[in-house]
Amino acid sequence: GAGVSQSPRYKVTKRGQDVALRCDPISGHVSLYWYRQALGQGPEFLTYFNYEAQQDKSGLPNDRFSAERPEGSISTLTIQRTEQRDSAMYRCASSLATPIYGRAHNEQFFGPGTRLTVL
Amino acid sequence: DQQVKQNSPSLSVQEGRISILNCDYTNSMFDYFLWYKKYPAEGPTFLISISSIKDKNEDGRFTVFLNKSAKHLSLHIVPSQPGDSAVYFCAASAHAGGTSYGKLTFGQGTILTVHP
Repeated sequence: GAGVSQSPRYKVTKRGQDVALRCDPISGHVSLYWYRQALGQGPEFLTYFNYEAQQDKSGLPNDRFSAERPEGSISTLTIQRTEQRDSAMYRCASSLATPIYGRAHNEQFFGPGTRLTVL
Repeated sequence: DQQVKQNSPSLSVQEGRISILNCDYTNSMFDYFLWYKKYPAEGPTFLISISSIKDKNEDGRFTVFLNKSAKHLSLHIVPSQPGDSAVYFCAASAHAGGTSYGKLTFGQGTILTVHP
C-alpha cells in the first residue's frame, strides 16, 4: 500500500511569501505528526494531531507557523511571511493508533519530506 | 538545549563485526526510547524500541540496551552488513499528562558505514 506522501517535494520561495506544505498520511492512520529537520540534525517535533484535533503544538517556533487537519486525514502546515531561517526539511509522519505508552511510537511512519528553501 | 545526544557523528565497521551506536539523554522524564534508520532521500524508518521498565530489547541482529542510571542507551548490530549503512537516530518520549507520547525528541544522528 501507499506510504505517507508529502507535496511538494521541493519548494523554493522568496522571503516574506506564505507557503503551504501538504501531508497525506497512510489511509486509516489516526495520528499525524509534523517535524522539521535541519541539515545534519535529527527531526525536531513541531505538532501532532489525533484525528482532526491538534493535541500538542508546543514545537511550533512562533505564530507564523500553523497546522490543520480539518477532516482527520490530510494535513497542511502553513508558514506565513517566510524567513531564511525557515529553510529546512519538513517531515510528516503518521501512526495507526493514538500515542499510548509502550505502543504507538513503534508505528510512526515518516514521509519523504518537503525541502523548503527561502531565498 | 539538546536533550538527546549522539556524540559520534560517524562510525565505520567491517562487515561481520559488531556496530555499537550510542545515545545519551538528559531529561529524566523520558521513559520510552526508539531507534530509527534513514537511507538517503527517504524518511526515517522505525527499527527498535525499549521502555524504561526494561534494560534490553532484542530483535534479530539488533539489540537495544538501556542504562537508566547513566541516562544512556546503545544499539548493537551483530553481525553488521553493508545494507546496514545508513544514518541512525535515537529518539525519546516522555509521559506527561497522557497526551505527549506523540512528541519524539531525536538525537543528531550517527552515520554508520559497513565496509564489505
